[in-house]
Amino acid sequence: AQKITQTQPGMFVQEKEAVTLDCTYDTSDQSYGLFWYKQPSSGEMIFLIYQGSYDEQNATEGRYSLNFQKARKSANLVISASQLGDSAMYFCAMREGHRGATNKLIFGTGTLLAVQP
Amino acid sequence: GAVVSQHPSWVICKSGTSVKIECRSLDFQATTMFWYRQFPKQSLMLMATSNEGSKATYEQGVEKDKFLINHASLTLSTLTVTSAHPEDSSFYICSARVLGNQPQHFGDGTRLSIL
Repeated sequence: AQKITQTQPGMFVQEKEAVTLDCTYDTSDQSYGLFWYKQPSSGEMIFLIYQGSYDEQNATEGRYSLNFQKARKSANLVISASQLGDSAMYFCAMREGHRGATNKLIFGTGTLLAVQP
Repeated sequence: GAVVSQHPSWVICKSGTSVKIECRSLDFQATTMFWYRQFPKQSLMLMATSNEGSKATYEQGVEKDKFLINHASLTLSTLTVTSAHPEDSSFYICSARVLGNQPQHFGDGTRLSIL
């Protein structure tokens, strides 16, 4: 069964430091997509970054980068130069490939990141 | 970027009433919309997937008669919680997707409190 695992329930990071949020996944599909979303205390889900299973290069979006290690089935999020506004819950999610018509997302349990001044 | 609007943002109502939540894609046409439920400090749980013009596909354990979903157009899906009870209190959030590898874009969510 498809599964996303985030083993860090919470993390602290000092402002301006880099932080890595862990995510491992399990799937039998060859084609899949991996996503990271940020959820502030206000509740909205903000899309951060996407990595396709066939993408050879790690995805980057500004201060966000995804450390994709396919053999290890990991897709860790790296946030560089942390800012106070980065404090939020972070969810890793996987979309299965082309099986079925919906391509629904499976979410991990989330990591609560607290950035300290 | 793609914008999804969800309304209302919060609802407080009495037990037994029905509550309708709207999810609109403002600047794109969404062939598929998703409805999630999130309990405090937990992850998002998919409730159902709705495709424009067809019946919604519900996840196992979700009562289709309790949570009515209508996706009448490419920009609007509605979730109606019928005869809501306190145990239905939760954070409901929708998302919309165009096609293919595009990410799901989420609404701001609706906090539902049933007294």
